[in-house]
Amino acid sequence: EIVLTQSPATLSLSPGERATLSCRASQTVSTYLGWYQQKPGQAPRLLIYDASKRATGIPARFSGSGSGTDFTLTISSLEPEDFAVYYCQQRLNWPLSFGGGTKVEIK
Amino acid sequence: EVQLLESGGGLVQPGGSLRLSCAASGFTFSSYAMSWVRQAPGKGLEWVSNINANGGSTNYADSVKGRFTISRDNSKNTLYLQMNSLRAEDTAIYYCANRDNNGWFDYWGQGTLVIVSS
Repeated sequence: EIVLTQSPATLSLSPGERATLSCRASQTVSTYLGWYQQKPGQAPRLLIYDASKRATGIPARFSGSGSGTDFTLTISSLEPEDFAVYYCQQRLNWPLSFGGGTKVEIK
Repeated sequence: EVQLLESGGGLVQPGGSLRLSCAASGFTFSSYAMSWVRQAPGKGLEWVSNINANGGSTNYADSVKGRFTISRDNSKNTLYLQMNSLRAEDTAIYYCANRDNNGWFDYWGQGTLVIVSS
């Protein structure tokens, strides 16, 4: 089973600041890594797939990078609506797995 | 517009059973794999089970293997999750999610809450 470890658990930032979220896999997932955003009371939303490709309708301030075991989600300039929990997910192997999440909160 | 509407959640005693349904519309249901993903209260996401487009292949998380069964009826555009031998740790919101052609969860339902408690 591939374990995904996200860090930090919580990121306290102000609107306009840059957010850098990390996801580390216990073994290589190549670029089969996605990122999801979840707001309170809502279902998750796909942001990034294949490590670096933005999903339909996702603003350009969201970008993903990495391959193998180390991945990064960057939000270049936080908008008020970006404060949420972010999860990474791998689809290389069964069982599919998610990271524990990073909460981006308003400082 | 793609819609996924889960139903069937509720309160059940430990050891009991429940069947969840997910009614799909707005896309060609029979062409896509589907999954169930759950989220315990205040916790992260956990993938539960997946079924391929024609229903011929299924996969399960170790935590539910042997207790849960995923199925689909493509004539009814509906996904199911039969949950048996339920435990307190199965308490969660259960989401159904469509897997796109690249295998990612691109559409999600609003979730249905399952509470396992005596």
